[in-house]
Amino acid sequence: DVKVTQSSRYLVKRTGEKVFLECVQDMDHENMFWYRQDPGLGLRLIYFSYDVKMKEKGDIPEGYSVSREKKERFSLILESASTNQTSMYLCASRIFRDSTYNEQFFGPGTRLTVL
Amino acid sequence: AQTVTQSQPEMSVQEAETVTLSCTYDTSENNYYLFWYKQPPSRQMILVIRQEAYKQQNATENRFSVNFQKAAKSFSLKISDSQLGDTAMYFCALTISSGSARQLTFGSGTQLTVLP
Repeated sequence: DVKVTQSSRYLVKRTGEKVFLECVQDMDHENMFWYRQDPGLGLRLIYFSYDVKMKEKGDIPEGYSVSREKKERFSLILESASTNQTSMYLCASRIFRDSTYNEQFFGPGTRLTVL
Repeated sequence: AQTVTQSQPEMSVQEAETVTLSCTYDTSENNYYLFWYKQPPSRQMILVIRQEAYKQQNATENRFSVNFQKAAKSFSLKISDSQLGDTAMYFCALTISSGSARQLTFGSGTQLTVLP
Protein backbone atom coordinates (compact mmCIF):
# COMPACT_ATOMS: atom_id res chain seq x y z
CA ASP A 1 0.00 0.00 0.00
CA VAL A 2 1.10 3.53 -0.75
CA LYS A 3 1.84 5.46 2.36
CA VAL A 4 1.99 9.22 2.59
CA THR A 5 2.87 10.56 6.00
CA GLN A 6 2.96 14.07 7.39
CA SER A 7 5.16 15.12 10.26
CA SER A 8 2.42 16.43 12.55
CA ARG A 9 -1.34 16.01 12.86
CA TYR A 10 -1.73 19.19 14.88
CA LEU A 11 0.56 22.20 15.09
CA VAL A 12 0.22 25.51 16.93
CA LYS A 13 2.54 28.38 16.04
CA ARG A 14 2.82 32.08 16.72
CA THR A 15 2.52 34.88 14.18
CA GLY A 16 5.86 35.54 12.54
CA GLU A 17 7.34 32.11 13.22
CA LYS A 18 8.91 30.07 10.45
CA VAL A 19 6.97 26.84 10.02
CA PHE A 20 8.03 23.62 8.32
CA LEU A 21 5.52 20.99 7.26
CA GLU A 22 7.05 17.73 6.13
CA CYS A 23 5.60 15.09 3.84
CA VAL A 24 7.12 11.72 3.05
CA GLN A 25 5.94 9.06 0.59
CA ASP A 26 7.32 5.57 0.34
CA MET A 27 6.37 4.58 -3.22
CA ASP A 28 8.97 6.38 -5.32
CA HIS A 29 6.36 8.74 -6.76
CA GLU A 30 7.62 11.53 -9.00
CA ASN A 31 4.87 14.06 -8.37
CA MET A 32 4.07 15.59 -5.00
CA PHE A 33 1.55 18.25 -4.03
CA TRP A 34 0.65 20.57 -1.17
CA TYR A 35 -2.95 21.68 -0.69
CA ARG A 36 -4.74 23.68 1.94
CA GLN A 37 -8.29 22.77 2.87
CA ASP A 38 -10.70 25.37 4.18
CA PRO A 39 -14.44 25.00 4.86
CA GLY A 40 -16.51 25.98 1.86
CA LEU A 41 -13.46 26.29 -0.38
CA GLY A 42 -12.46 22.67 -0.84
CA LEU A 43 -8.81 21.93 -1.52
CA ARG A 44 -6.64 24.54 -3.17
CA LEU A 45 -3.22 23.78 -4.62
CA ILE A 46 -0.34 25.69 -3.07
CA TYR A 47 2.70 24.15 -4.80
CA PHE A 48 3.57 20.98 -6.61
CA SER A 49 6.72 19.22 -7.67
CA TYR A 50 7.27 17.21 -10.83
CA ASP A 51 10.38 15.55 -9.48
CA VAL A 52 13.40 16.12 -7.27
CA LYS A 53 14.49 19.78 -7.09
CA MET A 54 11.60 20.79 -9.38
CA LYS A 55 8.71 22.91 -8.19
CA GLU A 56 5.82 24.83 -9.64
CA LYS A 57 3.42 27.34 -8.13
CA GLY A 58 -0.16 26.30 -7.72
CA ASP A 59 -3.19 28.52 -7.32
CA ILE A 60 -2.32 30.12 -3.96
CA PRO A 61 1.49 30.19 -3.50
CA GLU A 62 1.72 33.55 -1.75
CA GLY A 63 3.29 33.29 1.69
CA TYR A 64 4.59 29.77 1.07
CA SER A 65 7.68 28.13 -0.34
CA VAL A 66 8.65 24.49 -0.86
CA SER A 67 11.68 22.27 -0.96
CA ARG A 68 12.22 18.89 -2.62
CA GLU A 69 15.80 17.74 -2.12
CA LYS A 70 14.95 14.04 -2.07
CA LYS A 71 12.37 12.18 -4.09
CA GLU A 72 10.44 10.90 -1.10
CA ARG A 73 10.22 14.18 0.81
CA PHE A 74 8.38 17.40 0.02
CA SER A 75 8.45 20.24 2.52
CA LEU A 76 6.13 23.22 2.78
CA ILE A 77 7.59 26.31 4.41
CA LEU A 78 5.76 29.27 5.87
CA GLU A 79 8.50 31.90 6.07
CA SER A 80 6.57 34.12 8.48
CA ALA A 81 3.33 32.54 9.64
CA SER A 82 0.22 34.68 9.72
CA THR A 83 -3.21 34.05 11.20
CA ASN A 84 -4.78 33.71 7.74
CA GLN A 85 -2.60 30.64 7.21
CA THR A 86 -4.52 28.76 9.89
CA SER A 87 -5.85 25.80 7.95
CA MET A 88 -5.66 22.07 7.25
CA TYR A 89 -2.70 21.23 5.03
CA LEU A 90 -2.78 18.09 2.90
CA CYS A 91 0.09 16.50 1.07
CA ALA A 92 -0.38 14.13 -1.87
CA SER A 93 1.76 12.13 -4.26
CA ARG A 94 1.29 10.31 -7.54
CA ILE A 95 3.37 8.29 -9.92
CA PHE A 96 3.93 9.85 -13.32
CA ARG A 97 2.98 7.90 -16.41
CA ASP A 98 2.62 9.35 -19.85
CA SER A 99 -0.36 7.48 -21.15
CA THR A 100 -2.51 6.78 -18.13
CA TYR A 101 -3.65 8.77 -15.20
CA ASN A 102 -2.76 7.58 -11.71
CA GLU A 103 -4.62 8.72 -8.67
CA GLN A 104 -3.19 11.03 -6.07
CA PHE A 105 -2.59 9.48 -2.66
CA PHE A 106 -3.12 11.76 0.29
CA GLY A 107 -1.52 12.10 3.69
CA PRO A 108 -3.57 12.43 6.90
CA GLY A 109 -3.25 16.21 6.98
CA THR A 110 -1.73 18.73 9.39
CA ARG A 111 -4.09 21.09 11.15
CA LEU A 112 -2.08 24.28 11.66
CA THR A 113 -3.23 27.02 13.99
CA VAL A 114 -1.40 30.34 13.93
CA LEU A 115 -2.02 32.49 17.01
CA ALA B 1 -8.62 27.24 -16.15
CA GLN B 2 -10.84 24.53 -14.76
CA THR B 3 -13.63 24.96 -12.22
CA VAL B 4 -15.62 22.41 -10.22
CA THR B 5 -18.86 23.26 -8.42
CA GLN B 6 -20.62 21.28 -5.72
CA SER B 7 -23.84 23.07 -4.82
CA GLN B 8 -24.85 20.87 -1.86
CA PRO B 9 -22.73 21.71 1.20
CA GLU B 10 -24.54 19.13 3.35
CA MET B 11 -26.74 16.11 2.75
CA SER B 12 -28.14 13.32 4.84
CA VAL B 13 -29.58 9.93 4.02
CA GLN B 14 -31.08 7.07 5.98
CA GLU B 15 -29.06 3.90 6.25
CA ALA B 16 -29.78 1.50 3.34
CA GLU B 17 -31.26 4.28 1.20
CA THR B 18 -29.80 5.76 -1.99
CA VAL B 19 -28.34 9.25 -2.26
CA THR B 20 -27.00 11.30 -5.16
CA LEU B 21 -24.34 13.98 -4.82
CA SER B 22 -24.15 16.61 -7.55
CA CYS B 23 -21.14 18.07 -9.30
CA THR B 24 -20.77 20.34 -12.30
CA TYR B 25 -17.53 21.40 -13.91
CA ASP B 26 -16.12 23.59 -16.61
CA THR B 27 -13.11 23.05 -18.82
CA SER B 28 -12.22 23.92 -22.37
CA GLU B 29 -10.22 20.70 -22.71
CA ASN B 30 -11.61 17.70 -24.51
CA ASN B 31 -9.59 15.08 -22.68
CA TYR B 32 -9.88 15.00 -18.92
CA TYR B 33 -10.61 12.82 -15.93
CA LEU B 34 -13.19 13.25 -13.19
CA PHE B 35 -12.99 11.86 -9.68
CA TRP B 36 -14.92 11.52 -6.48
CA TYR B 37 -12.79 11.49 -3.34
CA LYS B 38 -14.02 10.63 0.15
CA GLN B 39 -12.65 12.14 3.36
CA PRO B 40 -14.01 10.36 6.46
CA PRO B 41 -13.87 12.21 9.78
CA SER B 42 -10.24 12.49 10.93
CA ARG B 43 -9.10 10.08 8.27
CA GLN B 44 -7.19 10.27 5.02
CA MET B 45 -8.74 11.21 1.71
CA ILE B 46 -9.27 8.22 -0.56
CA LEU B 47 -10.37 7.81 -4.15
CA VAL B 48 -13.91 6.49 -4.56
CA ILE B 49 -14.38 6.41 -8.31
CA ARG B 50 -12.84 7.71 -11.53
CA GLN B 51 -14.26 8.53 -14.97
CA GLU B 52 -12.35 9.17 -18.18
CA ALA B 53 -14.08 11.79 -20.30
CA TYR B 54 -13.62 9.83 -23.52
CA LYS B 55 -15.56 6.88 -22.12
CA GLN B 56 -19.31 7.02 -22.58
CA GLN B 57 -20.01 4.24 -20.12
CA ASN B 58 -20.56 5.42 -16.56
CA ALA B 59 -18.05 4.13 -14.02
CA THR B 60 -19.20 1.81 -11.23
CA GLU B 61 -17.43 0.61 -8.10
CA ASN B 62 -19.59 -1.68 -5.97
CA ARG B 63 -22.25 0.55 -4.35
CA PHE B 64 -20.86 3.69 -5.97
CA SER B 65 -21.73 4.77 -9.49
CA VAL B 66 -21.62 7.98 -11.48
CA ASN B 67 -23.89 9.70 -13.94
CA PHE B 68 -21.54 11.41 -16.38
CA GLN B 69 -23.22 13.86 -18.73
CA LYS B 70 -20.43 15.30 -20.85
CA ALA B 71 -22.51 17.80 -22.83
CA ALA B 72 -24.05 19.17 -19.64
CA LYS B 73 -20.68 19.01 -17.83
CA SER B 74 -22.30 17.16 -14.98
CA PHE B 75 -20.80 14.37 -12.88
CA SER B 76 -22.99 13.10 -10.06
CA LEU B 77 -22.21 10.34 -7.57
CA LYS B 78 -24.84 7.81 -6.56
CA ILE B 79 -24.38 5.79 -3.38
CA SER B 80 -26.69 2.81 -3.10
CA ASP B 81 -27.52 0.94 0.11
CA SER B 82 -25.91 3.69 2.20
CA GLN B 83 -23.90 2.54 5.19
CA LEU B 84 -22.85 4.38 8.35
CA GLY B 85 -19.25 4.19 7.15
CA ASP B 86 -20.18 6.31 4.13
CA THR B 87 -20.45 9.33 6.41
CA ALA B 88 -17.73 11.63 5.10
CA MET B 89 -16.93 14.75 3.14
CA TYR B 90 -17.08 14.01 -0.57
CA PHE B 91 -15.08 16.01 -3.08
CA CYS B 92 -15.55 16.09 -6.82
CA ALA B 93 -12.32 16.78 -8.73
CA LEU B 94 -11.10 17.20 -12.28
CA THR B 95 -7.77 16.94 -14.04
CA ILE B 96 -6.94 17.57 -17.67
CA SER B 97 -4.93 15.02 -19.60
CA SER B 98 -2.08 17.30 -20.65
CA GLY B 99 0.79 18.42 -18.45
CA SER B 100 3.27 16.42 -16.44
CA ALA B 101 1.86 16.67 -12.95
CA ARG B 102 -1.83 16.82 -13.86
CA GLN B 103 -2.90 18.67 -10.80
CA LEU B 104 -6.44 18.27 -9.52
CA THR B 105 -9.06 20.99 -9.29
CA PHE B 106 -11.47 20.31 -6.43
CA GLY B 107 -15.01 21.34 -5.65
CA SER B 108 -15.93 22.77 -2.26
CA GLY B 109 -17.19 19.44 -0.96
CA THR B 110 -20.45 17.88 0.24
CA GLN B 111 -20.72 16.65 3.83
CA LEU B 112 -22.75 13.46 3.76
CA THR B 113 -24.24 12.05 6.95
CA VAL B 114 -25.76 8.59 6.97
CA LEU B 115 -28.40 8.33 9.67
CA PRO B 116 -29.09 5.06 11.52
